[in-house]
Amino acid sequence: ETGVTQSPTHLIKTRGQQVTLRCSSQSGHNTVSWYQQALGQGPQFIFQYYREEENGRGNFPPRFSGLQFPNYSSELNVNALELDDSALYLCASSPGGDGDEQFFGPGTRLTVL
Amino acid sequence: DQQVKQNSPSLSVQEGRISILNCDYTNSMFDYFLWYKKYPAEGPTFLISISSIKDKNEDGRFTVFLNKSAKHLSLHIVPSQPGDSAVYFCAASGFPGTYKYIFGTGTRLKVLA
Repeated sequence: ETGVTQSPTHLIKTRGQQVTLRCSSQSGHNTVSWYQQALGQGPQFIFQYYREEENGRGNFPPRFSGLQFPNYSSELNVNALELDDSALYLCASSPGGDGDEQFFGPGTRLTVL
Repeated sequence: DQQVKQNSPSLSVQEGRISILNCDYTNSMFDYFLWYKKYPAEGPTFLISISSIKDKNEDGRFTVFLNKSAKHLSLHIVPSQPGDSAVYFCAASGFPGTYKYIFGTGTRLKVLA
């Protein structure tokens, strides 16, 4: 069974640019959540996708957007990058159903210069 | 507004002794709590969870206690081992229809050999 994978592992961008981060969910999982973890903080919920539909969103501006594909993999897109967007971006998948824990990928470290 | 708080950023414990990690929350709607462990360069790994209908859940060396009246939960690790050295995040959930987790800021545990 393959776990959650994310690409790329590291990324450097400049202010104003756009970035796309990718996540492959664990086999059999239909729900994907994205989190932003700033240095010294806990992960903060960005949004969640369930069967290709957005299913909840945290306190992030619209320039953070996402997609989920029929194979349940997902993308996180961030437009007009700001310095404060520098963080570790974590993707987590879950099989769906009440109380299921989320399984996290290793994350993508984004640096905005 | 930090709904989940881990007030101890770090903790050092001798190998073989008990480690107690604490977590406080403010939202009485939370009904499911989890602990995750995170090693450097890896995503958080699920450790143990507890539903609000219970006050204790045990899994091997790990026990989580929930005190709903005090809005407090704790993770006990007995006996502590050097391999337990990691950052521990407390997370809470309680948003019907989604699996949005609210994480604390983490406690770095160091188990001394």
